[in-house]
Amino acid sequence: GAVVSQHPSWVICKSGTSVKIECRSLDFQATTMFWYRQFPKQSLMLMATSNEGSKATYEQGVEKDKFLINHASLTLSTLTVTSAHPEDSSFYICSAYANYNSPLHFGNGTRLTVT
Amino acid sequence: GENVEQHPSTLSVQEGDSAVIKCTYSDSASNYFPWYKQELGKRPQLIIDIRSNVGEKKDQRIAVTLNKTAKHFSLHITETQPEDSAVYFCAAISGGYQKVTFGTGTKLQVIP
Repeated sequence: GAVVSQHPSWVICKSGTSVKIECRSLDFQATTMFWYRQFPKQSLMLMATSNEGSKATYEQGVEKDKFLINHASLTLSTLTVTSAHPEDSSFYICSAYANYNSPLHFGNGTRLTVT
Repeated sequence: GENVEQHPSTLSVQEGDSAVIKCTYSDSASNYFPWYKQELGKRPQLIIDIRSNVGEKKDQRIAVTLNKTAKHFSLHITETQPEDSAVYFCAAISGGYQKVTFGTGTKLQVIP
C-alpha cells in the first residue's frame, strides 16, 4: 500500500538553529502534501499545504518565513524550522495522497526538541 | 469553513464490550470520512473510511455509519481488545482534499 516516509524521527537542536524535516512518498507521486503539528494529547493542527512546483499555502497564524516548505519533486516535500526556539518543540507529521480517490497516508512523524 | 466535533474525548470500556465514537460536521460539501488510530508517539493509521454515497461500511470488528442528513458519522468497535487502546481521530474531507478537517480525538482505553 501507499507509504509515506518522514525523516528524521526525532531531532534535538539548540535554540537559534534550523532543522529540516523530509517527507517522501515512497510508491506514489504526490502533487500535494500536508504538514501538521501535534501538541501532546491534542489533535492534528494543519500548518500548511505543500504543492509541487509552487508556493505552499499556509494556514492562518503560521509564519511562512519561520516554517519554510519546499516541494521540489513529486515525491519529496521538506519543512525547515528556521531559528528554532523551545516553543517550536513539538511533533510534526506530514501526509500525502496518491489521487482524489485514495486514502490520506501519514508519515511516521518527527519529534523536535529545541533546547 | 468546516467544523468537526468529536465525542467523547475519553472512553473507557471493559474488554469485550463495544465502543462508539461520534463525529458531527458542518460542511455539506464534505464527502469523504476516514477514521484514524494513533498510538502514542506514532503516526495516525487509517482504520476505516466511508464516502458520502454509502451509509455503512464494516471491516471485521470495526464499522462506520454515516448519516448525511444529520451530518454525523460514527465509529463502532465491537469485541474490544486491549490493543484497541489508542487515540482515534475522525476527519471530514471535501472536494478532492481541498479541505481536510480533523476531529479533536478520542482516547479509548480498553480495560482487560
